[in-house]
Amino acid sequence: AQSVAQPEDQVNVAEGNPLTVKCTYSVSGNPYLFWYVQYPNRGLQFLLKYITGDNLVKGSYGFEAEFNKSQTSFHLKKPSALVSDSALYFCAVREAPGTALIFGKGTTLSVSS
Amino acid sequence: DGGITQSPKYLFRKEGQNVTLSCEQNLNHDAMYWYRQDPGQGLRLIYYSQIVNDFQKGDIAEGYSVSREKKESFPLTVTSAQKNPTAFYLCASKGDRGQNQPQHFGDGTRLSIL
Repeated sequence: AQSVAQPEDQVNVAEGNPLTVKCTYSVSGNPYLFWYVQYPNRGLQFLLKYITGDNLVKGSYGFEAEFNKSQTSFHLKKPSALVSDSALYFCAVREAPGTALIFGKGTTLSVSS
Repeated sequence: DGGITQSPKYLFRKEGQNVTLSCEQNLNHDAMYWYRQDPGQGLRLIYYSQIVNDFQKGDIAEGYSVSREKKESFPLTVTSAQKNPTAFYLCASKGDRGQNQPQHFGDGTRLSIL
């Protein structure tokens, strides 16, 4: 069965520093991977996805993610964090056509000024 | 603007009562989904529907029911059989049956017990 793990409940980083939010996955076939962000009392907003092709994927708000097949990872990154990036981040995977996304438990990112 | 509308934003349920959460989309999406969000547990799939008049159970369907009579609408009923209904409920939709499209989310309904 497919699954997603986000090993860190919380990541703290200072404004201007690079940030990484980790995600590992487990699927039996080719993974289709997504990152979402959630602000308090709001729905999830799509940031980026990996389907095929380049291992480095660029998305919204300056975020990018690196797909690593050998490590089954899809870590979210940003070169320079902003205080406004503080939010809850979810990694998700879809394995088979027509199925719903399976989400990790989320990582709270806190960026201090 | 196209999007997903969930209502109400806040809902309170009395003991033994069924309540229905509304989800409407004007994105012309075929697939719709209901998730439950609890602190520290991420999103868990309750039900999903790939097409009108068809739906499937997700991982935590017990105590919930859905209908899909119209493409735009996918209401979720939280029945009295759901003993721990307090949570944030999120509705989502997707435009095609392929794997590479993201799901779009509404802004959620927060359900609490009175």
